[in-house]
Amino acid sequence: DARVTQTPRHKVTEMGQEVTMRCQPILGHNTVFWYRQTMMQGLELLAYFRNRAPLDDSGMPKDRFSAEMPDATLATLKIQPSEPRDSAVYFCASGRDRSLAYEQYFGPGTRLTVT
Amino acid sequence: DAKTTQPNSMESNEEEPVHLPCNHSTISGTDYIHWYRQLPSQGPEYVIHGLTSNVNNRMASLAIAEDRKSSTLILHRATLRDAAVYYCNRRTGNTPLVFGKGTRLSVIA
Repeated sequence: DARVTQTPRHKVTEMGQEVTMRCQPILGHNTVFWYRQTMMQGLELLAYFRNRAPLDDSGMPKDRFSAEMPDATLATLKIQPSEPRDSAVYFCASGRDRSLAYEQYFGPGTRLTVT
Repeated sequence: DAKTTQPNSMESNEEEPVHLPCNHSTISGTDYIHWYRQLPSQGPEYVIHGLTSNVNNRMASLAIAEDRKSSTLILHRATLRDAAVYYCNRRTGNTPLVFGKGTRLSVIA
């Protein structure tokens, strides 16, 4: 049963530190998405890629967040420097856009706490 | 902006059917309706999707109004494991899912 994997599952860091979250999409999927979930804002789309190319990162704070896909099996989301307001659960999802109604498969999330 | 409206919460008794409503009055002709759910401490998972006709799968049924301005997700027999937040999304083309607040479903034993 193919799944999206995310590492680490939990991360506690101090304000100002760099945080890198990793995602392995399901093999064969060509789209990757990053979402952030907080109690106040719910699920927010941060960025997404198609065939490793960034298509939209308008949901991401540009000054401190960056998202990349070094290869088809790895997506990264980096925060530098981190701030307490970045505390949230970060989800990665992947899909294969062969049709208009393709599913997005979500990973288990990385719970980030910035103190 | 998910552009859908759902009740904040609903409650159901175990083994009873559950009808979760969603309003998407501004839906365009080519938008699909997707339902996802999020179990506690997990990422969202796909439930069902449809365009115009009613749809059934092993998890649920989706009833779409004739004018497509609303839809209803039907869980035929709720179990305790169905307690989750259910999200109704309208999706334009192959753009990413945009989530609203969803409906928190509680199932009572």
